[in-house]
Amino acid sequence: DAGVIQSPRHEVTEMGQEVTLRCKPISGHDYLFWYRQTMMRGLELLIYFNNNVPIDDSGMPEDRFSAKMPNASFSTLKIQPSEPRDSAVYFCASSLGGAGEQFFGPGTRLTVL
Amino acid sequence: QKEVEQNSGPLSVPEGAIASLNCTYSDRGSQSFFWYRQYSGKSPELIMFIYSNGDKEDGRFTAQLNKASQYVSLLIRDSQPSDSATYLCALDNYGQNFVFGPGTRLSVLP
Repeated sequence: DAGVIQSPRHEVTEMGQEVTLRCKPISGHDYLFWYRQTMMRGLELLIYFNNNVPIDDSGMPEDRFSAKMPNASFSTLKIQPSEPRDSAVYFCASSLGGAGEQFFGPGTRLTVL
Repeated sequence: QKEVEQNSGPLSVPEGAIASLNCTYSDRGSQSFFWYRQYSGKSPELIMFIYSNGDKEDGRFTAQLNKASQYVSLLIRDSQPSDSATYLCALDNYGQNFVFGPGTRLSVLP
């Protein structure tokens, strides 16, 4: 298996623009997690899905953030409009079971100017 | 919400020494504990997990769990410069997801 795939790897955008991050989990995994990592706040869980259904989005910072998982092999995290404080590395991870080992994708480094 | 605490470091040890990384947590109900390693600019990768009180050894790594005292530690024997990274402690949150600690930055000096 290719592991968790994320795209793009780097994104530079201007404040106010819409940003869409993409994730393909490991085949057969039933949990998918979106994290944000910054130096100040560490690794934060934004939202997670079980069998394509959002279970807990309490970590999503604002209404500007939204996430979808239309099928078992694809998820998106959208920020609209983006702000400079959204600059961070966004990781997607998947696991078999909620307490199983989480496999992380390579991350998307987002810079909002 | 469960809380996980780690000393942010940096923890500096000489090559060949034992590096000891510690993690404390707030909720006695956690069942599974994980140590992830994250190199600069890379994603976290699992190096150890432990479920039962006591020690678990895997090569140069030993995880120690004490549920009564609510701490979990990671020992790295014969530390190498390639072990220099940030180590993240995580615990399961009622079997649904993980709560990660802030990480400890380890620097192994040649």
